Amino acid sequence: AQSVTQPDIHITVSEGASLELRCNYSYGATPYLFWYVQSPGQGLQLLLKYFSGDTLVQGIKGFEAEFKRSQSSFNLRKPSVHWSDAAEYFCAYNAGNNRKLIWGLGTSLAVNP
Amino acid sequence: EAEVAQSPRYKITEKSQAVAFWCDPISGHATLYWYRQILGQGPELLVQFQDESVVDDSQLPKDRFSAERLKGVDSTLKIQPAELGDSAMYLCASSWGSGANVLTFGAGSRLTVL
Repeated sequence: AQSVTQPDIHITVSEGASLELRCNYSYGATPYLFWYVQSPGQGLQLLLKYFSGDTLVQGIKGFEAEFKRSQSSFNLRKPSVHWSDAAEYFCAYNAGNNRKLIWGLGTSLAVNP
Repeated sequence: EAEVAQSPRYKITEKSQAVAFWCDPISGHATLYWYRQILGQGPELLVQFQDESVVDDSQLPKDRFSAERLKGVDSTLKIQPAELGDSAMYLCASSWGSGANVLTFGAGSRLTVL
């Protein structure tokens, strides 16, 4: 069955430190991959997506993610975290052929001042 | 920037009561989704519309939940009767098409059932 794994339930980083959130997907030769962010009590906002082409994709708010087919991964990175980045981050993927979007359980990010 | 509108933002109700949520997607978006998100979990798709037709409602508890998108634009999700376990965030999203498309989400409707 298709699945998305976000191994880290909760991460705490200091402001200004670098960040990497992990995401692994289980199936699909050519997956469509997404990272969304959710602030408390709000809806989800798209950070970035990968459909094809360059495996390093740039998103909003200084985030980037790298698709690694050999590792079935799509990890999210940011070189310097800001306090406003504290939120819940969700990885999602679609295996194509009109299949539904599969969501990870999310990683909660806390930022220490 | 175009947004997905949802109302109400917050709803508190007693169990066995009826509750309804409304969603107005981005103009021109043919696909509309209703998700349920329990605190601490990822979104769970309840129902997906393509225009006015339901294309996926496999996870919708049809004994108490119903959804409609009569004119293929805005949509209503209803719960009757509400149960304690229905307490969650109900998220509406829309996209141009189905499949591998970018979803734009509304701010959500937070339901608390007492």
